[in-house]
Amino acid sequence: QQPVQSPQAVILREGEDAVINCSSSKALYSVHWYRQKHGEAPVFLMILLKGGEQKGHEKISASFNEKKQQSSLYLTASQLSYSGTYFCGTKGGSGGYQKVTFGTGTKLQVIP
Amino acid sequence: DTEVTQTPKHLVMGMTNKKSLKCEQHMGHRAMYWYKQKAKKPPELMFVYSYEKLSINESVPSRFSPECPNSSLLNLHLHALQPEDSALYLCASSQVGLAEPTDTQYFGPGTRLTVL
Repeated sequence: QQPVQSPQAVILREGEDAVINCSSSKALYSVHWYRQKHGEAPVFLMILLKGGEQKGHEKISASFNEKKQQSSLYLTASQLSYSGTYFCGTKGGSGGYQKVTFGTGTKLQVIP
Repeated sequence: DTEVTQTPKHLVMGMTNKKSLKCEQHMGHRAMYWYKQKAKKPPELMFVYSYEKLSINESVPSRFSPECPNSSLLNLHLHALQPEDSALYLCASSQVGLAEPTDTQYFGPGTRLTVL
């Protein structure tokens, strides 16, 4: 079953913060976050593991709530380069460990 | 170097044509994937090769035929496609393969396919 992301779309001004959520109805082992710019390939951002700690780099970080089977991606002080569609990908749940099941996606637009 | 290359970048074909998509990686990864992505939708898994053997086929129609000649190359042979097959076809690779939950996939730029 496909993870559900919220919000579906968000518009930010440069410097503003955003949170993107990814929820699954099944138990998860890992969550992978990707960003895809229009017409380009998805780019890997980070991975979170069950039982692991919050990860992050630069101004993008993420957390994984095992009890709620939910992951959140935090973007702080957004830059124009953050624009794109963000996908979470999950392993575990109905897909097992054998494949990444991508979420519904969140389109983020950062404007000057 | 985390580069996965795909050729061609764009492809237009008729429903009676036979064509192939090519994917290459030189990262020593042992798993390679084909995804199909429609506009404004997430990538949908089609096939997975692990150690050059087909390990997952997501009930893809036989008009799509994957091939893994060696650990660095992955092809997708196309024949008698339908207009609804028009999409972005993405290739990805990962270091280990299927049963490792931390295994990370790296994507190529994709082939934009249009079927007339």
